[in-house]
Amino acid sequence: NAGVTQTPKFQVLKTGQSMTLQCAQDMNHEYMSWYRQDPGMGLRLIHYSVGAGITDQGEVPNGYNVSRSTTEDFPLRLLSAAPSQTSVYFCASSYGGGVGTDTQYFGPGTRLTVL
Amino acid sequence: AQSVTQPDIHITVSEGASLELRCNYSYGATPYLFWYVQSPGQGLQLLLKYFSGDTLVQGIKGFEAEFKRSQSSFNLRKPSVHWSDAAEYFCAVGAINKFYFGSGTKLNVKP
Repeated sequence: NAGVTQTPKFQVLKTGQSMTLQCAQDMNHEYMSWYRQDPGMGLRLIHYSVGAGITDQGEVPNGYNVSRSTTEDFPLRLLSAAPSQTSVYFCASSYGGGVGTDTQYFGPGTRLTVL
Repeated sequence: AQSVTQPDIHITVSEGASLELRCNYSYGATPYLFWYVQSPGQGLQLLLKYFSGDTLVQGIKGFEAEFKRSQSSFNLRKPSVHWSDAAEYFCAVGAINKFYFGSGTKLNVKP
């Protein structure tokens, strides 16, 4: 199993550009989530999904959109990038119990810089 | 409001010495508690977790943690640190569809 994969690994955007961060998992996990990691702040939950077709907001959802059309994929969209979205983004998946009640498996991260 | 506090930003220990990383949480009910480790440039890996039962939990790589409800703490320990343990450690509190991380503790290991 590849586990949780994320692409790209690095990305530089200009303010106002849009892009999609890709996340895929091959463990047949129902729960998937996106986090951002900023220095000195740990990871913060952006959006999560409890299954195909079902998404909800986490702690810091503003400026991000998600969709979940398949169990495997959970892309994160930035519609109009802002410098405040410069961060490292992690995707995670878990088998059951909800986003916060089971072991989460993390991808390797995407380092995003917005100029 | 839920919160997780890791009071030590950086810790340096000598190889072979014991280690304790502190974690305090604020949550209304009994939370789900986790410790994750992040090596430089890598994703996060679960070390151990506590859901219920025995308050002393064993994890991978020789780590253990003890849940103390009265102190709202979930400290991570290792009796003898190896150079490969140098990394950043995150305590986290979870509930259904909620997950809160502490700000992390960076561990340096002196030879």
